[in-house]
Amino acid sequence: RKEVEQDPGPFNVPEGATVAFNCTYSNSASQSFFWYRQDCRKEPKLLMSVYSSGNEDGRFTAQLNRASQYISLLIRDSKLSDSATYLCVVNEDPTGGGNKLTFGTGTQLKVEL
Amino acid sequence: EAQVTQNPRYLITVTGKKLTVTCSQNMNHEYMSWYRQDPGLGLRQIYYSMNVEVTDKGDVPEGYKVSRKEKRNFPLILESPSPNQTSLYFCASRRIQVNEQFFGPGTRLTVL
Repeated sequence: RKEVEQDPGPFNVPEGATVAFNCTYSNSASQSFFWYRQDCRKEPKLLMSVYSSGNEDGRFTAQLNRASQYISLLIRDSKLSDSATYLCVVNEDPTGGGNKLTFGTGTQLKVEL
Repeated sequence: EAQVTQNPRYLITVTGKKLTVTCSQNMNHEYMSWYRQDPGLGLRQIYYSMNVEVTDKGDVPEGYKVSRKEKRNFPLILESPSPNQTSLYFCASRRIQVNEQFFGPGTRLTVL
């Protein structure tokens, strides 16, 4: 079983749609959680951290469910520029120091006209 | 401009020919790390360094070496590359107490 699992997609959605991705993790001691965005053949970049209470940044909402060990990313009003691969990242370092970041394989999103 | 740089960006080499991929950051970050990214496997950590002269193995260290003689540089060394090391490599850095990592642009390595 993978430590961090994501549906690889692709998710093909029309512009303006709302799309949601889930990510499950196996280590219940995981400390912190993130979503990174990776454009084709480019480096990953932090999209947002995921807080226990849930957090929102413009059209993006991230949520954490520790009991069920999953995190989610919701994108509202999708834009063509949102087309990318979204990586779920889990910090499994028990000290919280970030030395054990485990990356999911990513979910590919394609937003179409 | 704050950034992480890697060189070379693309490299095709042959089995057994030693190579070094350089990584440099200008953000005075303590923590640096190397990852490889392969289809279906995601990013996997090779080595990381908490500070100068402090390095440790990640999840897939076999066949790689690193050094951290200066804070800004963290080269990745393949003493005897093999075809299974064909991959996309990313260097990353961050402040110790901050989880956000900044990645370099990647090095696409092909070992024939």
